[in-house]
Amino acid sequence: AQSVTQLDSHVSVSEGTPVLLRCNYSSSYSPSLFWYVQHPNKGLQLLLKYTSAATLVKGINGFEAEFKKSETSFHLTKPSAHMSDAAEYFCVVRVVGGAGRRALTFGSGTRLQVQP
Amino acid sequence: DGGITQSPKYLFRKEGQNVTLSCEQNLNHDAMYWYRQDPGQGLRLIYYSQIVNDFQKGDIAEGYSVSREKKESFPLTVTSAQKNPTAFYLCASSIEGTGRVNQPQHFGDGTRLSIL
Repeated sequence: AQSVTQLDSHVSVSEGTPVLLRCNYSSSYSPSLFWYVQHPNKGLQLLLKYTSAATLVKGINGFEAEFKKSETSFHLTKPSAHMSDAAEYFCVVRVVGGAGRRALTFGSGTRLQVQP
Repeated sequence: DGGITQSPKYLFRKEGQNVTLSCEQNLNHDAMYWYRQDPGQGLRLIYYSQIVNDFQKGDIAEGYSVSREKKESFPLTVTSAQKNPTAFYLCASSIEGTGRVNQPQHFGDGTRLSIL
């Protein structure tokens, strides 16, 4: 079975400083991993995805994530936070289950606050 | 622009009443999904459909029903049997099929359901 754990429920940074949102996963197979962002009362927007190609994945808005198999981690980073980055972030693993089921398993989310 | 449209944005339900949430997509995606989001939690899968006229239960299907008569539409009915329906409901879609198992899901902006 697949699962994903986001290690911090809240992260607060100052504008212009680096962002690190941590995610660990467990999977019986080579996983597909995603990071999504959700702004208040909105749907989820895809930031980036890992699908067994390059281990360092670049996404939109300056975010990137590194897949580390030995650590079963997929942490999200950004060199310099912007006020508009304040949102909820979800780490997600793709499940390929019985009968062709293909659905996503979501972490519980990390709320990012950016202080001026 | 292609996308997923959910309506209404806010919905109120009386005790014992069934309500239907609309989800329409013009992305020509085969698969569609319904998720429930509760405060401070990730998303949980209610139902999914990989093709027209077929759908499968997710992790929390009790008290919900769906139909998939058209590729573009995947309405969700919250029945009176769902005893705790207050939540944010998100609809998603994705391309599926051979060679496309790692494609991300695209989300609508959600419907917030409350009990009167």
